[in-house]
Amino acid sequence: DAKTTQPPSMDCAEGRAANLPCNHSTISGNEYVYWYRQIHSQGPQYIIHGLKNNETNEMASLIITEDRKSSTLILPHATLRDTAVYYCIVSGGSQGNLIFGKGTKLSVKP
Amino acid sequence: EAGVVQSPRYKIIEKKQPVAFWCNPISGHNTLYWYLQNLGQGPELLIRYENEEAVDDSQLPKDRFSAERLKGVDSTLKIQPAELGDSAVYLCASSFTSFHEQFFGPGTRLTVL
Repeated sequence: DAKTTQPPSMDCAEGRAANLPCNHSTISGNEYVYWYRQIHSQGPQYIIHGLKNNETNEMASLIITEDRKSSTLILPHATLRDTAVYYCIVSGGSQGNLIFGKGTKLSVKP
Repeated sequence: EAGVVQSPRYKIIEKKQPVAFWCNPISGHNTLYWYLQNLGQGPELLIRYENEEAVDDSQLPKDRFSAERLKGVDSTLKIQPAELGDSAVYLCASSFTSFHEQFFGPGTRLTVL
């Protein structure tokens, strides 16, 4: 599976959009981009995933570049409860082989 | 809908003792996962079940770790004997199939003294 690179930490002001980048320059044509997050002392939580088109759901938007070498997770109006570690994962169509890195620790501040 | 249930939430044992973790997945989920998470790291897959069959246990240290999923529902993960380095959070997750999103339990925090 392709490897991803994420910044170790980011800050965001409450109410502003949080834009979390992820580089996956070695992604292959059949691999998806998945995002999970983990709030302190909880298990990870699925957010969104995509192949090449931009995706949006009630939690977030996923913007994938045309060459698919990078993507951005957007939380449109971050709240304090969005403070968590966000994992960007690249894997084939099955989510059975997710490899979690260290992720990005997002801190939302008042 | 009830989420993934794990017990116990915390466990403290002395090294060389056995320990077992229990997981009850979301009803109807065929795929069950056990992960290990060390402090400051992302979860690492230990074993994945499709119904009652372990289809990926390549990362499970089989000399001391064992797992079972009888009847394809609940699952237990056992360590015998535990070592100091086994101190970590053990997460259970389930999904409808391996092509669907995973739902995680709260984890069991194991401390080996």
